[in-house]
Amino acid sequence: DAGVIQSPRHEVTEMGQEVTLRCKPISGHDYLFWYRQTMMRGLELLIYFNNNVPIDDSGMPEDRFSAKMPNASFSTLKIQPSEPRDSAVYFCASSPGFWGYTFGSGTRLTVV
Amino acid sequence: AQSVSQHNHHVILSEAASLELGCNYSYGGTVNLFWYVQYPGQHLQLLLKYFSGDPLVKGIKGFEAEFIKSKFSFNLRKPSVQWSDTAEYFCALISSGSARQLTFGSGTQLTVLP
Repeated sequence: DAGVIQSPRHEVTEMGQEVTLRCKPISGHDYLFWYRQTMMRGLELLIYFNNNVPIDDSGMPEDRFSAKMPNASFSTLKIQPSEPRDSAVYFCASSPGFWGYTFGSGTRLTVV
Repeated sequence: AQSVSQHNHHVILSEAASLELGCNYSYGGTVNLFWYVQYPGQHLQLLLKYFSGDPLVKGIKGFEAEFIKSKFSFNLRKPSVQWSDTAEYFCALISSGSARQLTFGSGTQLTVLP
């Protein structure tokens, strides 16, 4: 199994541009999570899906952030328009149940 | 609401020293507890997990953790650290009331000096 796959690994963009982060979960995992990691706030849960349906998006910071999961093998996190304070590492994770998550390698986003 | 506290933000040890990282949680019901490690520039990897049974859990790379329910604690230990253990360590829990949502502590940065 290739694990949770995220792309791109690094993204540098200018303020105001749209950014799309991608995630492919492990096959058979019913849950998908998007986390953001910053020095100031640590790991924050942004949103999670169960069977492709968004369950809790209370962690999404603003309307500029949106996430979709059109099918069981793909999810996107979009920021439009991006701002410098969105700079962070964004992790996707998937889980089949209670025995812990598998994290992707993350996308390091820099907004200049 | 559930929460996880890691009071040690940064721990510095010499090689071969023993390690104990504190983790306390707040939740009145059943919990599943985890320790994750994040090496510099990498993603989080699962070190060990506790669901039920023996409260002393052994994980990878010689790490272990003990669940003490009366103290709401799940401290991570290793008898002898190596330089390669330098990383950030996160305690996390899933409670019975949170579906699959993993709540993380703020992390402890471990630096092992050669």
